[in-house]
Amino acid sequence: GEDVEQSLFLSVREGDSSVINCTYTDSSSTYLYWYKQEPGAGLQLLTYIFSNMDMKQDQRLTVLLNKKDKHLSLRIADTQTGDSAIYFCAPTEGNTPLVFGKGTRLSVIA
Amino acid sequence: GAVVSQHPSWVICKSGTSVKIECRSLDFQATTMFWYRQFPKQSLMLMATSNEGSKATYEQGVEKDKFLINHASLTLSTLTVTSAHPEDSSFYICSARDPAGSGGARETQYFGPGTRLLVL
Repeated sequence: GEDVEQSLFLSVREGDSSVINCTYTDSSSTYLYWYKQEPGAGLQLLTYIFSNMDMKQDQRLTVLLNKKDKHLSLRIADTQTGDSAIYFCAPTEGNTPLVFGKGTRLSVIA
Repeated sequence: GAVVSQHPSWVICKSGTSVKIECRSLDFQATTMFWYRQFPKQSLMLMATSNEGSKATYEQGVEKDKFLINHASLTLSTLTVTSAHPEDSSFYICSARDPAGSGGARETQYFGPGTRLLVL
């Protein structure tokens, strides 16, 4: 089955860019999602990328996909204190349950 | 985007009682819903896949008689924790798959806000 790895912590200064990395094992993943979880809340869908794309930009968010290396990254430009949360990447074939890694806890320092 | 609600948002109960948690897709029909459990500072653990009109599929190690799942309609799935014990205290999150992709990519899963269960 799918195995997802993310670094556990990331700390950045307000206004800087944040880059959260994710590696996965299942090369048949067709949709790759990024979710955000704020304390005590559910998961909020941030963005997604199809496996036939290399990059997707959505306002302050940029997703890069290296399918050969099974590496996904999420870049947050001009990081704000409201971006402090846990970020989960979730690759899937589309009709299978999402598999989550441990998530990356982003701390934004004012 | 698509919205999923959960009720209640938190519940405190005595050991031995049963607790029902509802998960609703508000603006789309979900033939498939998922139930997850999350311990503090840990990732989400898939408990079961709930399909409308059929029995739920439980992940290995999850007791189906303990965690009863009913998916009676295309917009509602319920999780009942039977005879709850303190070790069942956790954050339970449901998600619903949107097959039409009205909120984005097809088959995208949208998550509810979670239900925090505390069993005394």
